[in-house]
Amino acid sequence: DQQVKQNSPSLSVQEGRISILNCDYTNSMFDYFLWYKKYPAEGPTFLISISSIKDKNEDGRFTVFLNKSAKHLSLHIVPSQPGDSAVYFCAASEDGGSQGNLIFGKGTKLSVKP
Amino acid sequence: KAGVTQTPRYLIKTRGQQVTLSCSPISGHRSVSWYQQTPGQGLQFLFEYFSETQRNKGNFPGRFSGRQFSNSRSEMNVSTLELGDSALYLCASSLTGPRGVSPLHFGNGTRLTVT
Repeated sequence: DQQVKQNSPSLSVQEGRISILNCDYTNSMFDYFLWYKKYPAEGPTFLISISSIKDKNEDGRFTVFLNKSAKHLSLHIVPSQPGDSAVYFCAASEDGGSQGNLIFGKGTKLSVKP
Repeated sequence: KAGVTQTPRYLIKTRGQQVTLSCSPISGHRSVSWYQQTPGQGLQFLFEYFSETQRNKGNFPGRFSGRQFSNSRSEMNVSTLELGDSALYLCASSLTGPRGVSPLHFGNGTRLTVT
């Protein structure tokens, strides 16, 4: 049973507009959430994280929102750029990520069109 | 600062053989984790090592094993290879302390094909 779900396999957005990627989880013990971006033939690259004690974290064009009651998090990219086209993975951990065990969603492929 | 380095990048093996994959973490990172990525299952946690000790293990059979050396470099071994072991194997390192929240930094992976 998937504990972290990304229900949209793909998303297409126009350059300059907002991209919103969604992620749902089932395990209420998760206390640390991350987003990774992956280009073909490369490993995942860390983007942004959020602790369960917060509901928002921002880093430049990237903002992650956490709704614990709904067990939902989202990644907003504003403005979207063609270089953002990649597969985005949501990940979660029960132990603050301290022992390397992240549970990943299956990813959403973002395409940003010029 | 050099990133996580994995060797080799590509590997082709035959069923029944065994394989060893290598990972050099980012300098100063003492935690090394291994993941398997397949199209069907996505990214799945194999195990994590810290100071040469396995601290955490995912739900994989005993054919999958690993170790970490005193310089934090790590190796992963898969014995008696099966066709289903064909996957991208990713190594990640992190700077961890008590309840550390350093994110994982991934290498580019080793693509293993079992024929």
